[in-house]
Amino acid sequence: KQEVTQIPAALSVPEGENLVLNCSFTDSAIYNLQWFRQDPGKGLTSLLLIQSSQREQTSGRLNASLDKSSGRSTLYIAASQPGDSATYLCAVMDNFNKFYFGSGTKLNVKP
Amino acid sequence: ETGVTQSPTHLIKTRGQQVTLRCSSQSGHNTVSWYQQALGQGPQFIFQYYREEENGRGNFPPRFSGLQFPNYSSELNVNALELDDSALYLCASSLSPGGGYTFGSGTRLTVV
Repeated sequence: KQEVTQIPAALSVPEGENLVLNCSFTDSAIYNLQWFRQDPGKGLTSLLLIQSSQREQTSGRLNASLDKSSGRSTLYIAASQPGDSATYLCAVMDNFNKFYFGSGTKLNVKP
Repeated sequence: ETGVTQSPTHLIKTRGQQVTLRCSSQSGHNTVSWYQQALGQGPQFIFQYYREEENGRGNFPPRFSGLQFPNYSSELNVNALELDDSALYLCASSLSPGGGYTFGSGTRLTVV
């Protein structure tokens, strides 16, 4: 059974810092990997989607990498801002179109 | 603005009751998935519908059931509610099962 782990569970940084969020998964037979942002009590906003054949994706200040063979992904956030404060969820999709989510990293960016 | 709309946004039910949650997807999104997210946890897959047929189910009992309609709307029904059913229920839709998914804002269900 696929298990997704995110480290750290919580992170507090001063504004302007670059930071890395980590995600690991146990089964490398994935269809894609997606990073989401979730604000308190809200739904999920897709940030980046990496297909299983890809190594990384970039959008603005965000960069996500995927190493399928080692079961790892990282989300890099450059020049963090208070508006980046949210919970970040990593999800892998299996070949049956089912997402497996980690428990998230709760990020607080202090002004 | 999300293309997936869920209703209601909040709901309080009593243990043993039944509840229906609704999701309206973007036109053409013939795949819809439902997820349950307990407080402090990641979402858990409940089931998926493709062209009005269930084509995948997670580890949830049969009292969780669903329907998908030709107009790209769908329902999640939960019978015999239990306290542990209290959670945020998320709907996600896609143009195809393996495509990118758009999530709704969720329905917060509280069972008392």
